[in-house]
Amino acid sequence: RKEVEQDPGPFNVPEGATVAFNCTYSNSASQSFFWYRQDCRKEPKLLMSVYSSGNEDGRFTAQLNRASQYISLLIRDSKLSDSATYLCVVNPGAGSYQLTFGKGTKLSVIP
Amino acid sequence: GAVVSQHPSWVICKSGTSVKIECRSLDFQATTMFWYRQFPKQSLMLMATSNEGSKATYEQGVEKDKFLINHASLTLSTLTVTSAHPEDSSFYICSADKRGGYNEQFFGPGTRLTVL
Repeated sequence: RKEVEQDPGPFNVPEGATVAFNCTYSNSASQSFFWYRQDCRKEPKLLMSVYSSGNEDGRFTAQLNRASQYISLLIRDSKLSDSATYLCVVNPGAGSYQLTFGKGTKLSVIP
Repeated sequence: GAVVSQHPSWVICKSGTSVKIECRSLDFQATTMFWYRQFPKQSLMLMATSNEGSKATYEQGVEKDKFLINHASLTLSTLTVTSAHPEDSSFYICSADKRGGYNEQFFGPGTRLTVL
């Protein structure tokens, strides 16, 4: 089983749609969870950290289910500018500061 | 904020030359920085963990003598690709760990290396 697994997509959605991405991780001791977005030929940028209680930032909602080792990202009212690759990222804990990246889910928002 | 700069943003060099890439945390101190490489349409691959004042920790399969890392201060890490070859052409990205919070990492804008 891959350490961090995501559906690669692509997800092609119309403007205004709601889209959800899921991610599973294999290391049950993982401590921190993040969603990053990466535009083509650019560096990853932190979109949101994912807390145990779930968190919301404007149109974006992230949730964590530790029992199922599952992270989700919900984007409401999609904008053209949301088109990017979304990376599910996990810190394995145990004193490590390294991050483990999923391969990313590609989203294209269509006019 | 948490800003990380990287220089140069792109470089083209001849095979056999060495290329030095700088990574700086501009508004915070970074005890740990990370160097990644990304080939087209592939995910980020961690190359090494750079620790201020000590030797870098390299991932399996990454040659430490080819990819020299120096982390001389809390705001600067450098990666030198020695005797570069065409297969070293890639997108090199650094990140810095901002401690004290949730251990988020912030990425530099990347360096696109092309070896002719």
